[in-house]
Amino acid sequence: AQTVTQSQPEMSVQEAETVTLSCTYDTSESDYYLFWYKQPPSRQMILVIRQEAYKQQNATENRFSVNFQKAAKSFSLKISDSQLGDAAMYFCAYRSLPSRGSQGNLIFGKGTKLSVKP
Amino acid sequence: GAVVSQHPSRVICKSGTSVKIECRSLDFQATTMFWYRQFPKQSLMLMATSNEGSKATYEQGVEKDKFLINHASLTLSTLTVTSAHPEDSSFYICSAAGPNLNNEQFFGPGTRLTVL
Repeated sequence: AQTVTQSQPEMSVQEAETVTLSCTYDTSESDYYLFWYKQPPSRQMILVIRQEAYKQQNATENRFSVNFQKAAKSFSLKISDSQLGDAAMYFCAYRSLPSRGSQGNLIFGKGTKLSVKP
Repeated sequence: GAVVSQHPSRVICKSGTSVKIECRSLDFQATTMFWYRQFPKQSLMLMATSNEGSKATYEQGVEKDKFLINHASLTLSTLTVTSAHPEDSSFYICSAAGPNLNNEQFFGPGTRLTVL
């Protein structure tokens, strides 16, 4: 079974600075998806960034980028120019490829609570 | 992106009663819907996966007779918590996935259930 580990329960960053959230995972599959989700106090899950395992290039979405190390099974999230609105819980998630007409479910890490100091 | 709604957003009920939570995909056909449970300051735990027109697949430890899931159409799935007890109090989140959506899941806003 796949597992996702986030070793940082809480992180703090100064506004405008850069912060990196760590995530490691375990799987025997060769192809899969990895995601970072943001959950603000509203509890709405928001997709931040996704990475297909077959792609070597690290995904980037504006101020958010990942460092995907497939061999090391590591998938860290870097937030540049941190803003107050970035404060939230961040969940790393793994998903197998869909099969037999069914979409694969997400496996979440325990989350990292990010605080942004003004 | 695609939109998923949940109703109600909050519900308070008495112990022993049943509560139904609806999850709707508003602008796409959801061939698969997922139900998650989230306790305070914890992660999302998958409860069950439902494919339209089929019986739901429950995760280990989730009682299928207590958490009834119906996915009768491509836009609606329901979760019914039967004979609710205070330990069922939690935040329930659904997500939906479908074809031609870049293999992405879309989450509802969640339902906070409080059982007195």
